[in-house]
Amino acid sequence: GENVEQHPSTLSVQEGDSAVIKCTYSDSASNYFPWYKQELGKRPQLIIDIRSNVGEKKDQRIAVTLNKTAKHFSLHITETQPEDSAVYFCAVQGAQKLVFGQGTRLTINP
Amino acid sequence: NAGVTQTPKFQVLKTGQSMTLQCAQDMNHEYMSWYRQDPGMGLRLIHYSVGAGITDQGEVPNGYNVSRSTTEDFPLRLLSAAPSQTSVYFCASSYRRSVGSEQFFGPGTRLTVL
Repeated sequence: GENVEQHPSTLSVQEGDSAVIKCTYSDSASNYFPWYKQELGKRPQLIIDIRSNVGEKKDQRIAVTLNKTAKHFSLHITETQPEDSAVYFCAVQGAQKLVFGQGTRLTINP
Repeated sequence: NAGVTQTPKFQVLKTGQSMTLQCAQDMNHEYMSWYRQDPGMGLRLIHYSVGAGITDQGEVPNGYNVSRSTTEDFPLRLLSAAPSQTSVYFCASSYRRSVGSEQFFGPGTRLTVL
């Protein structure tokens, strides 16, 4: 089955700096790559997603890049703010199942 | 719309007890799924359903049963609870589209098995 690896597991950045989280996957047939944000004690919520026919997608301070040949995709957050502190999960979907990475705890230091 | 709802929010069980975690959605979503979340292990798929009457196993199905008799409801049954099933359980739903769609999560059920 699909294997998703997410790095790093923890990330600490200064407010205003950029943060990058990377995920690799194993199934070349996978075609949908969302990112979810989970604040403490809350449910995961979608922040951005990308489909296999697109290499990059941006939404204000958030961007996702996809390299299908190398089977990896990354989340980029620019101009980080305290409210960006949370756990971020990548996910990969093939035919039906959505498989999640292990998560990255992002801390924004003031 | 209430979105995805789950009951109960918290539950404590003794080893060997059985129970059902309830999940319902009012968005007419075809796809529903159950995940468990453990520290450092992300969200692991237990079971999923692509429509009423159709269910399939995810990554960690052992010890759990599901059924999907209606589009709205997707209950998760623990047959004989074990301490290893202590976790936070999330139900999620989405539309079925050809290339993925947003999963909407419920608020979660925190289960402790003693």
